[in-house]
Amino acid sequence: AQSVTQPDIHITVSEGASLELRCNYSYGATPYLFWYVQSPGQGLQLLLKYFSGDTLVQGIKGFEAEFKRSQSSFNLRKPSVHWSDAAEYFCAVAPVGGYNKLIFGAGTRLAVHP
Amino acid sequence: DSGVTQTPKHLITATGQRVTLRCSPRSGDLSVYWYQQSLDQGLQFLIQYYNGEERAKGNILERFSAQQFPDLHSELNLSSLELGDSALYFCASSATSVGEQYFGPGTRLTVT
Repeated sequence: AQSVTQPDIHITVSEGASLELRCNYSYGATPYLFWYVQSPGQGLQLLLKYFSGDTLVQGIKGFEAEFKRSQSSFNLRKPSVHWSDAAEYFCAVAPVGGYNKLIFGAGTRLAVHP
Repeated sequence: DSGVTQTPKHLITATGQRVTLRCSPRSGDLSVYWYQQSLDQGLQFLIQYYNGEERAKGNILERFSAQQFPDLHSELNLSSLELGDSALYFCASSATSVGEQYFGPGTRLTVT
């Protein structure tokens, strides 16, 4: 069955530190891959997406993600975290060539210490 | 602001009742999706419409139904409500039936 795993439920980093949020997927073929962020009481905002091509993709707010086919992973990174990055982050996949339902991971809640 | 609007923002109702959630997609987007976010189930895809036609169904209960109107707005109808239906319901839209989805702010439904 298709699934998305975000192994870390909570992560705490200090402001200015680097960040990596992990995402692994289980799927028959390489799906479309996404990262979304949800601030408290808000909807989901698209950070970045991978459809094909360059495996390192740049997104908004200084985030980037790297697709590694051999590891079925799509980890999100940021070199220097700001206090405003505290939020919940969701990795999602959608099947290529099919209709576009997103399958979400359970999310990683990020706390940022000053 | 994603450009997707949802009304109402909050809804409190009793068990057994019926409610309608409304979504207006981004200008020009033909595809609308509904998702449910709950503490125990996380974010779950419910249903997708494209230009008025149902395209995909997920974990949508038989008590729930949706439709997309000619002006492309969509409504999600939830009936015979149970306590477990309390959740945040999101609408998303995309320009085509594939591609990135843009989410609305959600409707928080509380069933008492």
